[in-house]
Order: sequence, then structure tokens, then C-alpha cells
Amino acid sequence: ETGVTQTPRHLVMGMTNKKSLKCEQHLGHNAMYWYKQSAKKPLELMFVYSLEERVENNSVPSRFSPECPNSSHLFLHLHTLQPEDSALYLCASSQEWGRGNEKLFFGSGTQLSVL
Amino acid sequence: QKEVEQNSGPLSVPEGAIASLNCTYSDRGSQSFFWYRQYSGKSPELIMFIYSNGDKEDGRFTAQLNKASQYVSLLIRDSQPSDSATYLCAVTPAGGGADGLTFGKGTHLIIQP
Repeated sequence: ETGVTQTPRHLVMGMTNKKSLKCEQHLGHNAMYWYKQSAKKPLELMFVYSLEERVENNSVPSRFSPECPNSSHLFLHLHTLQPEDSALYLCASSQEWGRGNEKLFFGSGTQLSVL
Repeated sequence: QKEVEQNSGPLSVPEGAIASLNCTYSDRGSQSFFWYRQYSGKSPELIMFIYSNGDKEDGRFTAQLNKASQYVSLLIRDSQPSDSATYLCAVTPAGGGADGLTFGKGTHLIIQP
């Protein structure tokens, strides 16, 4: 496989469920990201991992919990979500992070619906 | 609050014409500028990036940057129906940093056959 792969493509969950999104990059990149894309809003950065070190984004609710076990894999653990969390969740990677010239490669995304 | 502004469109352009997409940004210290293309139901794909004032050409695409006016544009020559998509402008703050890229809401481009 090449590029950035995300699973699942679609996810429907209730507000009391716990689920996880998975991302794997095959590009040898050192940085991985989670973005949220809602209708009529810009892409919102949720979390960044650089060389497996997390860069905190304080505005993200604690019901979203990222995990980066190694430089190729990234997870987003979800629990007690709200209907307003329904959105497209995109994983991305870049060669490096923090120098201001990051070129992002996106996965296909997970379309999440919270009922 | 760093902002990137784009006209949401839709911008309708006849096939074969030049499509001109515009983007303004609020952070005067921004250093890197990107254009991503997103087809409906798909994820964004990087198509152009520019760091210096002036023009950068790649095939049918030209990115133009004017830092004094805080303005970046994307020109698509000989527009094709396959160019119909939403185009996202993204800007990196000075020195990079935890904020990463700031994205605009995107311009929906329609190329009419």
C-alpha cells in the first residue's frame, strides 16, 4: 500500500459508544495529524504528532483522545461524543513538522455520524 | 486570530477558459502558502505551493503571491470539467509552530462543458 490509509470510511455511533479511528502512513513521514472537517467550516487541526511526540491542542474536548504508538500509526479514540461531533475526520502526514513548509498528504477520511 | 478568506462560490467558468481563485490572509508574517484540491466526497490533495513573491507555474496551474497585499491566487489555464472541485487555500504562520496550517473554507469551482 502507498500513501495514507484510514479506517473505517464510515462510522455511525451512539453518544454512549466507544470507537477508534485508525490511520497508517506508508510515506516514511515524521509527523501525523488529525483534522476535523465540518460543512461550511475550514479544516480544523485537532492534534499533531511529531516523531511520536504529541503537540497539544487545548481546544479539543477530552472525549477525543489521540494515540501514536509509532511514526507510522495514529489513532483517534472516541467516547461519549455529541451530535455536533458529526463530521469528516481526516488523518494526514508530512515529512516533518514545525518549519512552516509542511506539505500534507491526507487519508481518505472517516465520515462520522453521532446519533 | 489568524484568518484565511476565500470566496465560497460557486465560481462557474466555461471549459477552456482561465479560472482565477483568490485568497487573502490576515497574518502578515505568514511564510508558506498552499493550494489543495478537494473533489466531492474525497480528501484534499496538494496541487501547488509557493513561498516567495511572484508567480510559480506547474503545468496548467499558476500560483501567484503578493505578500505586501497579503494575497495569494491560483490560476487554472485551459479549464477542464475534471477541474471542478473545491479549492482550499492554506497558510503557515511565521516560523511554523503548533498552530500549523490555517485553512480557508474553500472555493467551489464548476467548469461548464
